[in-house]
Amino acid sequence: AQTVTQSQPEMSVQEAETVTLSCTYDTSESDYYLFWYKQPPSRQMILVIRQEAYKQQNATENRFSVNFQKAAKSFSLKISDSQLGDAAMYFCASLAGGTSYGKLTFGQGTILTVHP
Amino acid sequence: GAGVSQSPSNKVTEKGKDVELRCDPISGHTALYWYRQSLGQGLEFLIYFQGNSAPDKSGLPSDRFSAERTGGSVSTLTIQRTQQEDSAVYLCASSRGTPDEQFFGPGTRLTVL
Repeated sequence: AQTVTQSQPEMSVQEAETVTLSCTYDTSESDYYLFWYKQPPSRQMILVIRQEAYKQQNATENRFSVNFQKAAKSFSLKISDSQLGDAAMYFCASLAGGTSYGKLTFGQGTILTVHP
Repeated sequence: GAGVSQSPSNKVTEKGKDVELRCDPISGHTALYWYRQSLGQGLEFLIYFQGNSAPDKSGLPSDRFSAERTGGSVSTLTIQRTQQEDSAVYLCASSRGTPDEQFFGPGTRLTVL
């Protein structure tokens, strides 16, 4: 079974500053993937960044980067130079191998507020 | 090309009625997923299709819930004898295969009165 935990229900950041969202996960699979999704008020889930567990290098997508600590089962998201458009609910999610390859397991979400 | 589309966008129904929610995946995507998002339970997996078959139905909460996919494309999630606890946003996603990025639709907000 997969579990994903986001311990920060809400976070806030000033525009242009940096914020880090936390996520821990648990899995018995050796082959898995981790994702951060963004959900603005429109409800549309948008993929922000993905990390393959077999890759040691942390993924980066423009202003978004992750700190993947495999031994600690930690997968945090860093948003640099925060913009007003980054305000949304952020979900951490895992996708495991084996027979669970189909489904994403989501954390509880973190609401990010960006102050001008 | 077009993204994942879902219809209706919003659905209000009375307790005990049946509802059908539709999902049109991205063309060429072989995998399709249904999730449910509610305040109390967060985001939950319901069912996964590979082509027209459903290898994983483990998330369907009761036998009132069923889903089918035809022609490897459109999927319909049916909820029979709706209950108030079925009120939620139902999200559909598709991917080229597994494991792969899942692209989500805008969801259907279901309200059961």
